[in-house]
Amino acid sequence: DAGVTQSPTHLIKTRGQQVTLRCSPKSGHDTVSWYQQALGQGPQFIFQYYEEEERQRGNFPDRFSGHQFPNYSSELNVNALLLGDSALYLCASKGLAESYNEQFFGPGTRLTVL
Amino acid sequence: AQRVTQPEKLLSVFKGAPVELKCNYSYSGSPELFWYVQYSRQRLQLLLRHISRESIKGFTADLNKGETSFHLKKPFAQEEDSAMYYCALSTQTGANNLFFGTGTRLTVIP
Repeated sequence: DAGVTQSPTHLIKTRGQQVTLRCSPKSGHDTVSWYQQALGQGPQFIFQYYEEEERQRGNFPDRFSGHQFPNYSSELNVNALLLGDSALYLCASKGLAESYNEQFFGPGTRLTVL
Repeated sequence: AQRVTQPEKLLSVFKGAPVELKCNYSYSGSPELFWYVQYSRQRLQLLLRHISRESIKGFTADLNKGETSFHLKKPFAQEEDSAMYYCALSTQTGANNLFFGTGTRLTVIP
């Protein structure tokens, strides 16, 4: 099991563009969360998906949206990109089988907005 | 609102010396507290959680509700402990949402 995988690894966009990031959860996991990690900061919770619905959301504008597919994989979409959206975007998954619902993180997608 | 504070961005200790990484939190309810670690060129991973009261790789952390702290401690630091450490808080059972501190980079000097 490769664990949580994310694509692409790196991405460069310009202001105003839209971007889609992808995440495949660890085998057996059904819940996916997304985090934004700016340089020098800790990860910030964006939202969580379970059973193909957004279940919780952090303090992020509507420009950030997501989707979960029947196979539990997920996408993060960001519209009207701003320079401040440049960050490492982390995906984390968890499943009921894990003790205390531990979250497993992917390697992240580095987004640069020019 | 909830907040996690890690006052030290950088911490250096000599091999064999005790290490303590500080974490303070603010939350009006009963939080779940975690320590996550990121070794060089590896992904973020769970080190330990307060609810299980376990010791992982020699590290322990005790939740002090009176001082709202969850400091990470190890009596004898090893070179392989050099990494980025994040304290995190969840406001819900099951850690559905994690609020992270800014992290402390620990360097163990040989």
